[in-house]
Amino acid sequence: AQSVTQPDIHITVSEGASLELRCNYSYGATPYLFWYVQSPGQGLQLLLKYFSGDTLVQGIKGFEAEFKRSQSSFNLRKPSVHWSDAAEYFCAVGAWAAGNKLTFGGGTRVLVKP
Amino acid sequence: EAGVAQSPRYKIIEKRQSVAFWCNPISGHATLYWYQQILGQGPKLLIQFQNNGVVDDSQLPKDRFSAERLKGVDSTLKIQPAKLEDSAVYLCASSALAGVGNEQFFGPGTRLTVL
Repeated sequence: AQSVTQPDIHITVSEGASLELRCNYSYGATPYLFWYVQSPGQGLQLLLKYFSGDTLVQGIKGFEAEFKRSQSSFNLRKPSVHWSDAAEYFCAVGAWAAGNKLTFGGGTRVLVKP
Repeated sequence: EAGVAQSPRYKIIEKRQSVAFWCNPISGHATLYWYQQILGQGPKLLIQFQNNGVVDDSQLPKDRFSAERLKGVDSTLKIQPAKLEDSAVYLCASSALAGVGNEQFFGPGTRLTVL
């Protein structure tokens, strides 16, 4: 069965500093990987996704993620954080062989200090 | 275009009562999903519909949860009777097609508190 681990429950970062959120997945075949953001009281919004090809993926709001098969990781990065980036971030893995089901990690809550 | 609509946004009930949530997906989206998100956890898929048929309900507690999508558009999720551990946010999502490659668009969710 597929699984996703987000090791950091909370991260605090200063506005303007860089941000990196970790995601490790477990799946026997080629995974499809996603990052979603959830602001308070809002639904989840897709930031970016990886299916194949270039392992560095660009997303919305200035985010990018890098797929590293050897490390089973799909870490999310942003060079310079804005106060509006304070939210909860979820990594998810999906796979055709698993009935197209999305499995989410536990999430990382990001707090931005002024 | 309008997003996924859900109602109510908040619901407080006592254990053993019943409750129903409603979801209206994005127009034209054939696939509809219900997720349960317990505080501090990621969303967990409860049920997936393709038009008005069930694709996956393997994680739906069928002794108390039920869901339907009669005309292939709106959907309702019901809990009867509710337990304390059902306190969570219930998210509805839709996608144009089934399959991992198709983006799921999420509604704002219904926050359920069971006392």
